[in-house]
Amino acid sequence: KNEVEQSPQNLTAQEGEFITINCSYSVGISALHWLQQHPGGGIVSLFMLSSGKKKHGRLIATINIQEKHSSLHITASHPRDSAVYICAVTGNQFYFGTGTSLTVIP
Amino acid sequence: DAGVIQSPRHEVTEMGQEVTLRCKPISGHNSLFWYRQTMMRGLELLIYFNNNVPIDDSGMPEDRFSAKMPNASFSTLKIQPSEPRDSAVYFCASSSLDNQPQHFGDGTRLSIL
Repeated sequence: KNEVEQSPQNLTAQEGEFITINCSYSVGISALHWLQQHPGGGIVSLFMLSSGKKKHGRLIATINIQEKHSSLHITASHPRDSAVYICAVTGNQFYFGTGTSLTVIP
Repeated sequence: DAGVIQSPRHEVTEMGQEVTLRCKPISGHNSLFWYRQTMMRGLELLIYFNNNVPIDDSGMPEDRFSAKMPNASFSTLKIQPSEPRDSAVYFCASSSLDNQPQHFGDGTRLSIL
């Protein structure tokens, strides 16, 4: 069993749609990260959370420590949001989800 | 403001050869991470340093892999001897502390023939 599970694995949306990507984890953590990897391969750290909610532009990340669950929301999605989104947790060790591949169609 | 700089961007070499990947973290960052990404296993942490000291190397696959950080502005990841299964993209990242957001380099795409 993977320590970090993401869903869905693949997601296709129309431009403008509201998108949610979920991440569940089974280990104790000190922080949860959301990473974005574009088709060119570069990785960008979007958020690091240990509680509550963070917002940056059209992106919102939430975490529920009791339920061991985090969500990444994208409002008014755009084709440039097309990327792989990776959830990672840090505690005693680092664990990564397998990623959610998002395609936003114009 | 320069980000994390990795070199080379691409490396193709024959199995058995020594491979050295290089990373220059963002100035002032105290934590440095080496990751490997493959289609089969996704993203994996290999090792990370705090203040040039290796903190967790449990992700280093085997003795063929070694990493050093001789000073705050430079780190190397060495594979000797290299094998085809080492083919992957290797990322370096740095952060101001190990529990702060990380900044990633562009990666080194390594192909072992």
